[in-house]
Amino acid sequence: QLQLQESGPGLVKPSQTLSLTCTVSGGSISRGGYYWNWIRQHPGKGLEWIGYIYYSGGTYYNPSLKSRVSMSVDTSKNQFSLKLSSVTAADTAVYYCASLVRGLLDSWGQGTLVSVSS
Amino acid sequence: SFVLTQPPSVSVAPGKTARITCEGSNIRSNSVHWYQQKPGQAPVVLIFFDSDRPSGTPERFSGSNSGHTATLTISRVEAGDEADYSCQVWDGSSDHVVFGGGTKLTVL
Repeated sequence: QLQLQESGPGLVKPSQTLSLTCTVSGGSISRGGYYWNWIRQHPGKGLEWIGYIYYSGGTYYNPSLKSRVSMSVDTSKNQFSLKLSSVTAADTAVYYCASLVRGLLDSWGQGTLVSVSS
Repeated sequence: SFVLTQPPSVSVAPGKTARITCEGSNIRSNSVHWYQQKPGQAPVVLIFFDSDRPSGTPERFSGSNSGHTATLTISRVEAGDEADYSCQVWDGSSDHVVFGGGTKLTVL
């Protein structure tokens, strides 16, 4: 069973870039068939898929966020990262990283709250 | 894009059966996964591929998928089942992950 852990600033100023990293343990991020996802949850709301990256660097993003999202992967560190630019208060949420295999999000990080405020 | 619709809330008395639906156009052609999320915790896989249970999911939880509706059924509901439940599919036409809006289960 994979373990995932998010890390990054808990507070970001408006108009700046949110940056988070997910560290994967218990298995290689380069394993075939696994896609590495970011998901967020606004306070009191449902889950929103942000996008995923494959170990080779291929990405798919939610069309609603695509213009502001960038993901990268560092196989040497078994990590993948999220950047969300031009943030506003509407980007305040708990951000989760998760592994996707055969369409199932089978392992999740504990989540990290990111607040956007000056 | 594919849209999944869940009721915002379902209430049930202890010992009764709760059914949480997840509606989507021809959802039967997709595999549906269900997640349970308790306050302050990350989602956990409850049911996968429509009706399979991970080893930690009690047999009281079951899933089905037919036509335009997938259903999570919780038999003999317990107070500890109070949580948010979300359905999810993989939309192969767009290579996107899609979530339902989530359903809050309240045990009366």
